[in-house]
Formats: sequence, C-alpha cells, structure tokens
Amino acid sequence: AQSVAQPEDQVNVAEGNPLTVKCTYSVSGNPYLFWYVQYPNRGLQFLLKYITGDNLVKGSYGFEAEFNKSQTSFHLKKPSALVSDSALYFCAVRGRDTDKLIFGTGTRLQVFP
Amino acid sequence: GAVVSQHPSWVICKSGTSVKIECRSLDFQATTMFWYRQFPKQSLMLMATSNEGSKATYEQGVEKDKFLINHASLTLSTLTVTSAHPEDSSFYICSARGLRGWNNEQFFGPGTRLTVL
Repeated sequence: AQSVAQPEDQVNVAEGNPLTVKCTYSVSGNPYLFWYVQYPNRGLQFLLKYITGDNLVKGSYGFEAEFNKSQTSFHLKKPSALVSDSALYFCAVRGRDTDKLIFGTGTRLQVFP
Repeated sequence: GAVVSQHPSWVICKSGTSVKIECRSLDFQATTMFWYRQFPKQSLMLMATSNEGSKATYEQGVEKDKFLINHASLTLSTLTVTSAHPEDSSFYICSARGLRGWNNEQFFGPGTRLTVL
C-alpha cells in the first residue's frame, strides 16, 4: 500500500537559518512526489513536484526538494527561512498508475524572528 | 491560472439539515475533481473522486448516500452533506485536475468549514 511519512509534527527554526522538512514514502514503482503548504483556514498551495529527471527540484518561494530513490525520501529544504514561511506543510505521493494523492500527516513549520 | 474556488467558505447549520458545497474551476476545465476532508491537526483524507458526467467513486468507509457528489459540468462539482450531524463538522477541500491527464497536478480550493450544531 502507498503511504507517506512525515516524522516531525513540528519543526522550529530561526529566521535566516536553513530549514528541512522531512518526508519518506512507500510506493511501488516510480512515484510522483509533491509538496504543498497550507495557511490557517486555507486550502493547499502547490510548492513543487518531482516527476522525473533531475533529483533536485526547485519550487515556489525559494523552496526546493531532493528526491532520493535509495532512501525513498523527498525532503523539503530552504536555504534561509522567513517568518512568513510559518505554515503547515504536506508531502504527498501518487503512483504512476493512479490519480489518487496520498498525503502525509503534515509538519508545522514555525520560524522565529 | 489554475484557480479553484469553493462556496461557501464557511457554513453553520442545524443537525438534520443538508448543506451543499460548490467547487468551481475558474480558468480551466476540470475533467476530474476530488473531495477531501480534513480534521483539526490532521491530514487530508480523500473522500471521493468525481469525473464529469459520471458517478463519483467513493473511498472505503465514505457513505455515498450521505455525501452526494455531482459533477455536472467541466467547471463545477458539488458536495451535499445530507442530514448533517455534529460529527460531520470538518474542513472540506476540493481539488481539480485539468484535461491534460494524470501528469497535471491537482489544484486545490480554499476549503469550506462546516460546523453542525
């Protein structure tokens, strides 16, 4: 069965420091991988996706993620965090033979001034 | 581009009444729309997938007679919560995928918060 794990409920980082939000997945074959961000009482905003090709994917607002097939991970990173990055981040996976997105449980990112 | 709207953004209703939530793709045609439910501090759980002009496909454990989904056009899907009860209170989010097939990511609406008294 397909699954996504976000091992950290919350990540705290000081403004200006690099941030990492972890995601690992379990899916057969080569998956599509996504990161979304959710602000309070809002829907999800797409950040980036991995389909194929270069393992380092660059997305919106300076975020990037690295696909690591051997570790089945797709960690979200940003070199320098902003207070405005504080939000709930979801990793999601979709198998190549399905149109269903499977979401992780989310990681709350808190960036302190 | 790729904007999805939901209406209403929030609704409060009495137990036993029905509530309709609309999901619209504003600038693209959506052959497939998805309905999710999100409980506080939890992830999104897919409720059903609807394709324009056909019956929705419900996930295991979701009552299709309670959560009626209609996808009558390429830009509109509706979710009706029938005979709502307090346990149906939740944040409902729709998403839409365009005509170009599975490689297109889903675009999400802003969500509808339902509170059943």
